[in-house]
Amino acid sequence: KAGVTQTPRYLIKTRGQQVTLSCSPISGHRSVSWYQQTPGQGLQFLFEYFSETQRNKGNFPGRFSGRQFSNSRSEMNVSTLELGDSALYLCASSLEHRTANTGELFFGEGSRLTVL
Amino acid sequence: EDQVTQSPEALRLQEGESSSLNCSYTVSGLRGLFWYRQDPGKGPEFLFTLYSAGEEKEKERLKATLTKKESFLHITAPKPEDSATYLCAVQGLTRGGSEKLVFGKGTKLTVNP
Repeated sequence: KAGVTQTPRYLIKTRGQQVTLSCSPISGHRSVSWYQQTPGQGLQFLFEYFSETQRNKGNFPGRFSGRQFSNSRSEMNVSTLELGDSALYLCASSLEHRTANTGELFFGEGSRLTVL
Repeated sequence: EDQVTQSPEALRLQEGESSSLNCSYTVSGLRGLFWYRQDPGKGPEFLFTLYSAGEEKEKERLKATLTKKESFLHITAPKPEDSATYLCAVQGLTRGGSEKLVFGKGTKLTVNP
């Protein structure tokens, strides 16, 4: 069974540019979450999507956005990049039902973004 | 606001030397507490879920326990392959359901042969 796939794995951008990251969840998983991981702040929740709807959102500025497609694949976008956006962006999927969250997330290997 | 604090930040053990990692948490209503393992360059890997105080889970050399304010990850006779960062996370009760987890910053464990 294929795991969570994130692309690209590494990318370098300059301040002011925008970036789009992609995530393919495990087949059958309908919940996709995004996290930002930095050495100073650890893992911080960005947002979660379920059945193409954003179900929860973390405390990040509006420059961070995401969406989910009908096949559960998800993308996140960061516009007007800042140096502080350099981080590992992790996508996680879970097999959950509308009435029973599992909390058991399956993470991809992440997209490492460097902003120069 | 839900919070998770892990200690120590880093821990060095000799192979076979047992120890415990601590996770203190505050959450408005606990749906679950989770332990994950993260190897360098990889995403976190799920280890355990604990739902209520007094609950314990075991997997190989690892045992997780839960009280109303803390969780411990006990490592018995560790091996070098247990070296990793161990992350603790909580999931609070949310209306409408959500998989949002609040993570601690982790404990980096190094086991020397």
